[in-house]
Amino acid sequence: DAGVTQSPTHLIKTRGQQVTLRCSPKSGHDTVSWYQQALGQGPQFIFQYYEEEERQRGNFPDRFSGHQFPNYSSELNVNALLLGDSALYLCASSFGRSNEKLFFGSGTQLSVL
Amino acid sequence: GQSLEQPSEVTAVEGAIVQINCTYQTSGFYGLSWYQQHDGGAPTFLSYNALDGLEETGRFSSFLSRSDSYGYLLLQELQMKDSASYFCAVGRGSARQLTFGSGTQLTVLP
Repeated sequence: DAGVTQSPTHLIKTRGQQVTLRCSPKSGHDTVSWYQQALGQGPQFIFQYYEEEERQRGNFPDRFSGHQFPNYSSELNVNALLLGDSALYLCASSFGRSNEKLFFGSGTQLSVL
Repeated sequence: GQSLEQPSEVTAVEGAIVQINCTYQTSGFYGLSWYQQHDGGAPTFLSYNALDGLEETGRFSSFLSRSDSYGYLLLQELQMKDSASYFCAVGRGSARQLTFGSGTQLTVLP
């Protein structure tokens, strides 16, 4: 049973560029949440997707957008990259409204130069 | 807004017991979760408390007092592999999204 998978594992971009990160949830899960984790900090909630719609959004600008596909996989897009966007981006999956136990992927380490 | 406070670092020796405290301020509280994260790894779920009291899962236990907005994670019979960062997180909002603390770096010494 595959867990949460994310791709790519590492990415280097320059300021102003755009990036797309991908996530496949754990088998049987239908809800995907995205988190940003800066070095030495806890994950910060970006947004959550359920039934192909953004259900809730954290305090992140519109440069951050996402999508969920019919197979429940998800993408995170970040436009006009800033140096401060450098972080580990984590995808977490769960089933329905049951967010008490999230399964996280190993993340995508994004470096913006 | 919401905030969580937990100690930044804790050190203990193998075989010992350690308690990591977490206090929170939030609205729309659903429950308190704990996650473990090793360097370079994914956060992994440890426990969840929605109601007051103690939840036990093997060597790990978690406690919640909703009236005090306080919880803790208790790790018993510490092992070297327990060296990691531990995060408390509160579930809130319509999507029950998690708000994480800044984490506690636990170092287990031989």
